[in-house]
Amino acid sequence: DQQVKQNSPSLSVQEGRISILNCDYTNSMFDYFLWYKKYPAEGPTFLISISSIKDKNEDGRFTVFLNKSAKHLSLHIVPSQPGDSAVYFCAASEGGYSTLTFGKGTMLLVSP
Amino acid sequence: EAQVTQNPRYLITVTGKKLTVTCSQNMNHEYMSWYRQDPGLGLRQIYYSMNVEVTDKGDVPEGYKVSRKEKRNFPLILESPSPNQTSLYFCASSPAQGRGSNEQFFGPGTRLTVL
Repeated sequence: DQQVKQNSPSLSVQEGRISILNCDYTNSMFDYFLWYKKYPAEGPTFLISISSIKDKNEDGRFTVFLNKSAKHLSLHIVPSQPGDSAVYFCAASEGGYSTLTFGKGTMLLVSP
Repeated sequence: EAQVTQNPRYLITVTGKKLTVTCSQNMNHEYMSWYRQDPGLGLRQIYYSMNVEVTDKGDVPEGYKVSRKEKRNFPLILESPSPNQTSLYFCASSPAQGRGSNEQFFGPGTRLTVL
């Protein structure tokens, strides 16, 4: 049973516009959520995270929103840039421990 | 430079020939983990280790072994590789608990092909 779901395999956005990547989870014990970015031929790199005690976290162009009642989080990238083109993975953990459960990823393509 | 290294980066082998993929981190992290990435399936955890001599199965451990004799190293062993283990493998590490414990650092990946 997939506990972290990214239902959009891909997303295409024009440069300068907003990119919104979505993630749903089923395990109510998850209390920490992360987004990772992955370029081809590289390992995933940490992008931004949010604790379940918050509903929003911002870091520059990147904002993550958490809706606990809906078990849904989203990553907003504003403005989108061609260098943002990558696969984005949503991940979740519970209880302050390190083990992460990943979604299948969403490939973002930002065109000039 | 803080990093996770994996070797080899690319490997082509044949069914049944034992192989080891090494992973090393220089950040003094307690937690280390192995994942495989397959098209349409995302990142799935194979094994993880909370500290030296402590290892545990992840979601897809069948056909793999690990060991954690030293804090910095966490090798992945395929005793008898099969074609369904053809995949892209990532090693990752993080502090076990507390600040930063969820933010795993990933290695560059090892692309394995089993013929």
